[in-house]
Amino acid sequence: DAGITQSPRHKVTETGTPVTLRCHQTENHRYMYWYRQDPGHGLRLIHYSYGVKDTDKGEVSDGYSVSRSKTEDFLLTLESATSSQTSVYFCAISEWFFGPGTRLTVL
Amino acid sequence: GENVEQHPSTLSVQEGDSAVIKCTYSDSASNYFPWYKQELGKRPQLIIDIRSNVGEKKDQRIAVTLNKTAKHFSLHITETQPEDSAVYFCGGTGGSYIPTFGRGTSLIVHP
Repeated sequence: DAGITQSPRHKVTETGTPVTLRCHQTENHRYMYWYRQDPGHGLRLIHYSYGVKDTDKGEVSDGYSVSRSKTEDFLLTLESATSSQTSVYFCAISEWFFGPGTRLTVL
Repeated sequence: GENVEQHPSTLSVQEGDSAVIKCTYSDSASNYFPWYKQELGKRPQLIIDIRSNVGEKKDQRIAVTLNKTAKHFSLHITETQPEDSAVYFCGGTGGSYIPTFGRGTSLIVHP
């Protein structure tokens, strides 16, 4: 599916621990996005990138940071995970193709 | 940024009926409007899209119409089947590369 993968696909962690999610694309797209999906809220933008080392905040960026050191990889870090960050995280690339998602549970 | 509103949140139809889901947007600069289907536990999949220079687009049983004056676009599914049951999302960009999505419509097709 559009050459976009996410890892890990599932993760359970404890409150206060750092977590990093990875999005990898083979399409050489300039734009990449991280969304979270929660019941009743739909897809909400966390951060996005418009090129290597070029990133910006979305509407729900608090508690998250991102990095993009090469075109194909976009990393999302939860600096100190909280239970409110339990969610399904989707990465997307230009033309709005989505990765398979990461289900994160913070206990 | 763009604000996309989607209605209804739930739509229940009988197999063979038509289903219509409507989205409104706020930014007149929006020029690309995709629709996604998301089955339980899976990623959203693009099913049809329309650009602002076109009023209607069809692909077999699905179609999308766009009214730029009223700033709304709609997804039409004809001859619904149980496998059409899913959550459907609309999107918009507001003239930027930042996609914004509606909250989704849960479509239930009863056999």
